[in-house]
Amino acid sequence: KQEVTQIPAALSVPEGENLVLNCSFTDSAIYNLQWFRQDPGKGLTSLLLIQSSQREQTSGRLNASLDKSSGRSTLYIAASQPGDSATYLCAVRSDYGQNFVFGPGTRLSVLP
Amino acid sequence: GAGVSQSPRYKVAKRGQDVALRCDPISGHVSLFWYQQALGQGPEFLTYFQNEAQLDKSGLPSDRFFAERPEGSVSTLKIQRTQQEDSAVYLCASSINSAGSYGYTFGSGTRLTVV
Repeated sequence: KQEVTQIPAALSVPEGENLVLNCSFTDSAIYNLQWFRQDPGKGLTSLLLIQSSQREQTSGRLNASLDKSSGRSTLYIAASQPGDSATYLCAVRSDYGQNFVFGPGTRLSVLP
Repeated sequence: GAGVSQSPRYKVAKRGQDVALRCDPISGHVSLFWYQQALGQGPEFLTYFQNEAQLDKSGLPSDRFFAERPEGSVSTLKIQRTQQEDSAVYLCASSINSAGSYGYTFGSGTRLTVV
């Protein structure tokens, strides 16, 4: 059974810092991995989708990497802004299932 | 539509009451998922539809939970005899194909509070 963890659980940084969020999964037989952002009281907004054959994806100030063999993905946020404050969720879809398994999320606060 | 639409946005139910939550996926999307998100936790899978067929309902926590998608588009999640532990945000997601190769689009969710 796939299990997903995220470290740290919460992070507070001053504006302008570069930061890394970590996601680990127990079963490397994955189909793809998706990073989401969730604002308080809101649904999930997709940030980046990485297929199992890819090593990384980039969108603006965001870069996500994937290392299947070690069961890890990282989300790198460059030059953080207060508007980046949200909970970031990692979701893994395994080869043998249709649904995503989510991590518990990292709650990010970027201070002005 | 342009996105996944869920209604109602908020629902307060008295314990023992039945509720029905609606999801309108993106038009033409084959796959539809329901997830349950407790406060401070990541979403947990409830059930999956491919068109009108419910292919996986392994995440439904009890037989009080029932989901349907009779015409392969709109889906309804029904909870009978609600309990306080059912209080959560219920999220719906859809995907254009069954492979999920393009990822999933989520709705804004329905926040259910059972009092």
